[in-house]
Amino acid sequence: DAMVIQNPRYQVTQFGKPVTLSCSQTLNHNVMYWYQQKSSQAPKLLFHYYDKDFNNEADTPDNFQSRRPNTSFCFLDIRSPGLGDAAMYLCATRGTAYEQYFGPGTRLTVT
Amino acid sequence: AQSVTQPDIHITVSEGASLELRCNYSYGATPYLFWYVQSPGQGLQLLLKYFSGDTLVQGIKGFEAEFKRSQSSFNLRKPSVHWSDAAEYFCAVGANDYKLSFGAGTTVTVRA
Repeated sequence: DAMVIQNPRYQVTQFGKPVTLSCSQTLNHNVMYWYQQKSSQAPKLLFHYYDKDFNNEADTPDNFQSRRPNTSFCFLDIRSPGLGDAAMYLCATRGTAYEQYFGPGTRLTVT
Repeated sequence: AQSVTQPDIHITVSEGASLELRCNYSYGATPYLFWYVQSPGQGLQLLLKYFSGDTLVQGIKGFEAEFKRSQSSFNLRKPSVHWSDAAEYFCAVGANDYKLSFGAGTTVTVRA
């Protein structure tokens, strides 16, 4: 089935140690998103791509960066993770009627 | 800018009973409206969507939602709840800027 895939599902990193989360999609959608979701909260948009055009949310910390080398793949880089960055990170793509399709998420733990 | 309110933080329902989750939105034009479900430790799954046409939309897992423009609402319903419906439910509104605005979510607990 066409889908959004995230790897790894669980990631443990140390305080201050850079980490990269991966997302791939087989839907061939041109818009991709990265969200941060903390416990019992709605997802919070970090940034999105329209094709290769990168759009950063105003309140996304500089510590978070992203790369999209091609249509299928998108990466989230956290340069110096802090304890407050522990969260679920969700990747999504956008369909033709503005609906978004989400991956299963990566649970990031910072020790 | 668009916004979404889900008035109920937590709902408990008995298995087999009906369920209704409330959603109110604020948006100047005809909105794109969505309901998502999230099981613990999982991503969000699209239940249903509305962007035009029939105001009663059918979704997956036996869910339906009704768009009422006069009330700015898009409530989600299910006639008979199963234990597997226990999850977090998010209402969302989309606009032309490629973004979704999510409500705070409603946690549904199903008791036997």
